[in-house]
Amino acid sequence: SQQGEEDPQALSIQEGENATMNCSYKTSINNLQWYRQNSGRGLVHLILIRSNEREKHSGRLRVTLDTSKKSSSLLITASRAADTASYFCATDGRYGQNFVFGPGTRLSVLP
Amino acid sequence: DAGVIQSPRHEVTEMGQEVTLRCKPISGHDYLFWYRQTMMRGLELLIYFNNNVPIDDSGMPEDRFSAKMPNASFSTLKIQPSEPRDSAVYFCASSGGGGWRGSYEQYFGPGTRLTVT
Repeated sequence: SQQGEEDPQALSIQEGENATMNCSYKTSINNLQWYRQNSGRGLVHLILIRSNEREKHSGRLRVTLDTSKKSSSLLITASRAADTASYFCATDGRYGQNFVFGPGTRLSVLP
Repeated sequence: DAGVIQSPRHEVTEMGQEVTLRCKPISGHDYLFWYRQTMMRGLELLIYFNNNVPIDDSGMPEDRFSAKMPNASFSTLKIQPSEPRDSAVYFCASSGGGGWRGSYEQYFGPGTRLTVT
């Protein structure tokens, strides 16, 4: 069963705009990660946020975590065409190392 | 490091044939994961190993699927006999583990696109 659910399923924006994707989950977690997948490629880790953290930054990426609402958001600022990809959140499963991936948000950044 | 290596990159086979997918994790990583990705079901964890020992194989669809990790640098996923519904992209990933509060970042291979006709 899937733990994380990304929203929206698809997002289309213009280059330079910000993109926000959300992830909701059902049960308590220790860690939540965000990954990116370019078409035809493997997933690439973007950022991990622990349950005792509320916000993390990495370059143009900003991730927030609200454990009371069981939700996380990924913000990409000043988007570029190269940001076009699918973005997945992953929440830890039963054994901690077993992360469950959501269905993903497909982001299209138009030049 | 070359990253996670998977072979073959593409495999086309006929229904009923045996298929073997291979994975070489990043040196020093003690966790290895096998995933399957389809449009309908998304990314599914099939099985994962810690220090070459299978920890959770609850995602393996049925007895036709088996996975082994004979040593720290090699793992196989075998499907026998293969069926058209097994067509998917199969990913291998590895991570450094590092304990309960250690590194959970998973490094994915490029995937094997399997087509069963």
